[in-house]
Amino acid sequence: GAVVSQHPSRVICKSGTSVKIECRSLDFQATTMFWYRQFPKQSLMLMATSNEGSKATYEQGVEKDKFLINHASLTLSTLTVTSAHPEDSSFYICSARATKTSTETQYFGPGTRLLVL
Amino acid sequence: DAKTTQPPSMDCAEGRAANLPCNHSTISGNEYVYWYRQIHSQGPQYIIHGLKNNETNEMASLIITEDRKSSTLILPHATLRDTAVYYCIVRWLASTPLVFGKGTRLSVIA
Repeated sequence: GAVVSQHPSRVICKSGTSVKIECRSLDFQATTMFWYRQFPKQSLMLMATSNEGSKATYEQGVEKDKFLINHASLTLSTLTVTSAHPEDSSFYICSARATKTSTETQYFGPGTRLLVL
Repeated sequence: DAKTTQPPSMDCAEGRAANLPCNHSTISGNEYVYWYRQIHSQGPQYIIHGLKNNETNEMASLIITEDRKSSTLILPHATLRDTAVYYCIVRWLASTPLVFGKGTRLSVIA
């Protein structure tokens, strides 16, 4: 099946610093990638949709200047949490859509756990 | 996208079939039914999807009622590793992202 990787799997940072999370589709090309966030005991919440070579589309309530998304190639998207604060601590999960299938199934990465101190 | 309703939790004995229901009474004709699961502290895992016909793969079977207003995911022989939150998602357009509800927490008991 399609494989999506994320790096790092876990990161701890100080308040005010920036953190970059990478998402890669390993065995397929993905023109569209998605970023989700999940707080403890809650479901996944869509943050933004990223299309290769164009600006990301953010969901309502998600600050685009705080969560910078870059999708420079068909296999790589990055999420940068700028000036991180403790309330940004969460589980961040990326997803890539396989474009060669008729129903365009989304495949998910293993997630990145961010802890801001 | 149509809304789905799932029971918050279910238990299943190890080795038995796990039948997870999903109600999607407002589904429209071109909406697919997708099932994903999330094991603790991992990303969601794709299980199966269908439009009208029943589907089966190496992981599970998907039974969709004739009126398409509900479906059932069947794990034929549940193991402890199947303990997870299972999400039933209905998606209208293939281009729209998956939106997750609360899902069903399945606990497989030895």
